Amino acid sequence: GAVVSQHPSWVICKSGTSVKIECRSLDFQATTMFWYRQFPKQSLMLMATSNEGSKATYEQGVEKDKFLINHASLTLSTLTVTSAHPEDSSFYICSARTSGSDSYNEQFFGPGTRLTVL
Amino acid sequence: RKEVEQDPGPFNVPEGATVAFNCTYSNSASQSFFWYRQDCRKEPKLLMSVYSSGNEDGRFTAQLNRASQYISLLIRDSKLSDSATYLCVVEPRGAGSYQLTFGKGTKLSVIP
Repeated sequence: GAVVSQHPSWVICKSGTSVKIECRSLDFQATTMFWYRQFPKQSLMLMATSNEGSKATYEQGVEKDKFLINHASLTLSTLTVTSAHPEDSSFYICSARTSGSDSYNEQFFGPGTRLTVL
Repeated sequence: RKEVEQDPGPFNVPEGATVAFNCTYSNSASQSFFWYRQDCRKEPKLLMSVYSSGNEDGRFTAQLNRASQYISLLIRDSKLSDSATYLCVVEPRGAGSYQLTFGKGTKLSVIP
């Protein structure tokens, strides 16, 4: 299957700092990437949908000014958590969907980034 | 009502047992259905898609009942390596967004 990487895999930062997480599709072009967040023992919750070259679409309750998403190319999307606070500590996972026909294309998930804000 | 609801679990079963997971979804417009497995502190991985006619992949059988908005996963002859959290996932294709909605997951522990 296709490979999606995330960097960093884990990060610890102080409250008030900003953290950038990269999501790359390594062997395919991803017209759409998705960012999820998962708190302990909770389901993955979609934060935003990112299409290459356009503004991300955020889910209700997700602050777009706090979670900045940039999808500058068909293989890279970044999520920046600005002014992080302890409640932002979570497991952030991206997924990438292959481009192509309108039939269903599998989403491939990155390995996730574990963010801990002190 | 939550969009995707699953058995709360956890399920603790001996090796070789058969175990079934159930899931219901609230959006009748949902078009695609999946089971993913997620190991502790790892990303979810697609286990199998679920089709209206039901489908089987080795020891795994998935079924979909659109009328009842119900999805199931049956695992036969459980292996230790089956221990994971199983996520029921639906995609409201009608929205054209290809966004996945995840259930909370059911944890399975297969015991020697």
